[in-house]
Amino acid sequence: SQKIEQNSEALNIQEGKTATLTCNYTNYSPAYLQWYRQDPGRGPVFLLLIRENEKEKRKERLKVTFDTTLKQSLFHITASQPADSATYLCALDEGSNYKLTFGKGTLLTVNP
Amino acid sequence: EAGVTQFPSHSVIEKGQTVTLRCDPISGHDNLYWYRRVMGKEIKFLLHFVKESKQDESGMPNNRFLAERTGGTYSTLKVQPAELEDSGVYFCASSQVTQGSGYTFGSGTRLTVV
Repeated sequence: SQKIEQNSEALNIQEGKTATLTCNYTNYSPAYLQWYRQDPGRGPVFLLLIRENEKEKRKERLKVTFDTTLKQSLFHITASQPADSATYLCALDEGSNYKLTFGKGTLLTVNP
Repeated sequence: EAGVTQFPSHSVIEKGQTVTLRCDPISGHDNLYWYRRVMGKEIKFLLHFVKESKQDESGMPNNRFLAERTGGTYSTLKVQPAELEDSGVYFCASSQVTQGSGYTFGSGTRLTVV
């Protein structure tokens, strides 16, 4: 069956460290993989998109990798800050349709 | 630019009643999507409009749900009659292109059916 798993429901790190979040998928062939940030009571906010033929994408302190062999994406936040505390969602787009399939998310808490 | 606006932000209705949710996408965005998050579950796709046409409504739970986008601008999602399991947060999103770009989501409507 198809499955998207984000490594843990919650991740706590110290300010200044690098946060690494994992998204693993089974029985999907995503053309695109997206990462979103969601704060309580708000909708998801788009962060980064990576295509199946791209290995890595960066935006400021954010970095996403995509390994279609391992069926895994890693999302890194360097020099993390308490303001980075939020739930981070990965979402797959298989390219044959226009649906995003979301993981359940990882709640990141950055402690000062 | 203004973001995606959803109304109401919260709605509490009794089982059997009707509720209509509204979404105003970003101006000029032809693509409009509805998603839903039920408590404890992941966000799930409901349907996709391109302008006023339904491209894909495969995620709609059943025929108690009706989505419209008259004139290709704002969209409504009506639930009639509402059941307890319809409770959740309904998100609307819009995008200028269909794929290869991120979506802009609204803040959602929290629907509680009692």
